[in-house]
This record gives sequence, structure tokens and C-alpha cells, in this order.
Amino acid sequence: RKEVEQDPGPFNVPEGATVAFNCTYSNSASQSFFWYRQDCRKEPKLLMSVYSSGNEDGRFTAQLNRASQYISLLIRDSKLSDSATYLCVVISGNTPLVFGKGTRLSVIA
Amino acid sequence: DAGVIQSPRHEVTEMGQEVTLRCKPISGHDYLFWYRQTMMRGLELLIYFNNNVPIDDSGMPEDRFSAKMPNASFSTLKIQPSEPRDSAVYFCASSPGQGDQPQHFGDGTRLSIL
Repeated sequence: RKEVEQDPGPFNVPEGATVAFNCTYSNSASQSFFWYRQDCRKEPKLLMSVYSSGNEDGRFTAQLNRASQYISLLIRDSKLSDSATYLCVVISGNTPLVFGKGTRLSVIA
Repeated sequence: DAGVIQSPRHEVTEMGQEVTLRCKPISGHDYLFWYRQTMMRGLELLIYFNNNVPIDDSGMPEDRFSAKMPNASFSTLKIQPSEPRDSAVYFCASSPGQGDQPQHFGDGTRLSIL
């Protein structure tokens, strides 16, 4: 099993839809989790951290399920500008960040 | 504030040539990371430094790749000799810490080896 796995997509959704991505991780000792966003031909940028109790930032909600070893990202009321690739990131102990390969989202008018 | 600065933005060269990629991290960031991104393999960590010292280079694909960080404000990634399969986007990132600190990425160098 790979360290971090994501459904590559693409997810094609209409504007205004709610979409959710999951990311599974293999190391049960993983401690820190993030979601990054990467636009086409651009660098990855931090979208939000993922806290144990779950956290929300506007239309974005991140959750952690330690028992099943996955994190999720929920986007409500999708906008055209949300079209991007979403990368999950996992940190375990002193190892550096491990990036998933990303899930591609296309929001369609 | 200036972010992570990489150069060149694009590099096209013939196989067998030496390629040098450059990175200036954000001032005050103790950690510097080099990544390679391809469609097939995604974003792969090549090597990272803490306070200019290489900590983990297990991601460096082979001896043709080398990285240095002579001071806190400059790092290079060198490929010699280059091969077509090295074609990728190479990102440099820096962070104030390694644990729960987010990384800030440069714009990347798009490398094409013919």
C-alpha cells in the first residue's frame, strides 16, 4: 500500500455543487495533515491544515478520520475558480512531507 | 515579502549536458526541499536540508543528481549528465520547520532534456 493515496479524478462538477475528496494514508503514526492546491502549471500552495477535530474555512471543510486513516476535503458551493488539483500531505514523525498525487477538480459552468 | 525564488524558469538542453537549478529560500526558513514533479510519479521529494546540512537524500534518483546548500540563502540542484527521463518540473520549497509547518514553494523550473 502506498504511503498516501488519492483518487486522481478528474471530478467534473457543475457550479454550485458540493464535492468531496478523500485521501488515505498507511502510517498509523502520522501526525500532521494538510491540503494543498495546485493550479495548472503553477506551484502547490497550502490550502488548509487538517486538525483532529475537523476544521472549516469558508466553503472548505477538512476532516480527519484516524480510525480509518483518511482525511477528507469538502467544498461547498463550487466556483469555477476552484478548478485545480488538490494534493493531500501527510507528515509522520521526523519524516518530511509525503504528498499524494493529487485529485483533479473541474468545475463547469 | 519575497517568496522562494527559483531560476531558471525554463531550461531546454540536450542530453549529456550539465544542468544546474538554483533556489533562494525565504529568509529565516531553516528547511529547504527539492522536489520533482511528473505526471506519472506526482510530486517526489529528492532531498532536503536543515540549516544548510543535507538531512535526507534518499529520494535522489541516482549519482547523476547532486545538491548543495553553501549558505542559508542559496541552494543548487545539479544533474550531470542529463538524460531525457530527467525532464520534469523541479520545485524548491522552504519552511521555518519540518513538522507541522507548511512549505512555501517556488515557481518551479520546467526542464526539458532533448
